[in-house]
Amino acid sequence: DSGVTQTPKHLITATGQRVTLRCSPRSGDLSVYWYQQSLDQGLQFLIHYYNGEERAKGNILERFSAQQFPDLHSELNLSSLELGDSALYFCASSVGPNSPLHFGNGTRLTVT
Amino acid sequence: AQTVTQSQPEMSVQEAETVTLSCTYDTSESDYYLFWYKQPPSRQMILVIRQEAYKQQNATENRFSVNFQKAAKSFSLKISDSQLGDAAMYFCAYRSYQGGSEKLVFGKGTKLTVNP
Repeated sequence: DSGVTQTPKHLITATGQRVTLRCSPRSGDLSVYWYQQSLDQGLQFLIHYYNGEERAKGNILERFSAQQFPDLHSELNLSSLELGDSALYFCASSVGPNSPLHFGNGTRLTVT
Repeated sequence: AQTVTQSQPEMSVQEAETVTLSCTYDTSESDYYLFWYKQPPSRQMILVIRQEAYKQQNATENRFSVNFQKAAKSFSLKISDSQLGDAAMYFCAYRSYQGGSEKLVFGKGTKLTVNP
């Protein structure tokens, strides 16, 4: 168990809808990262937050947004969903910039 | 920009044998960290091993060890006495933090099959 909690585990929704994915980092970890992994693909970096502030953006669509709250949990909001947004979304946390990332079990999003 | 290359999209090994997965990276930095992650069919991302660039000694975790060649910018993963449970996708990752700028780059992965 990595200590990173992601909810929900599975999400099935229709095109055009909006969903929110939630991540609770490991206790003491200030950094939260979001990654997208499509079927048989590598990890696509979406966004990084550190102690509530956005630190870096990757290939994140304008339809996607995220935030990190004062209690350090983070939410990834996906709107106007398209079939191509179906993927496994990972959250990872880290205590510092030179520490390993610890990944949650992911949220599997299916858009029908 | 830093890049991480895993040149072997797929590898296979017989159970109980040894296999080595390759990873090379490109950087001009001197201080960084390298990691191997395992992603089994369950799709969890599991940290396998880490290596600090300033350490000359190669990291070892049970049956997993690395061959870190800093000058060659190579970071290969050796799995000894392969087990069926080692079958997974393996990702190499580079991480550094200098001057307030963090870099974190993953390779595209190597799919390892373990044959009984």
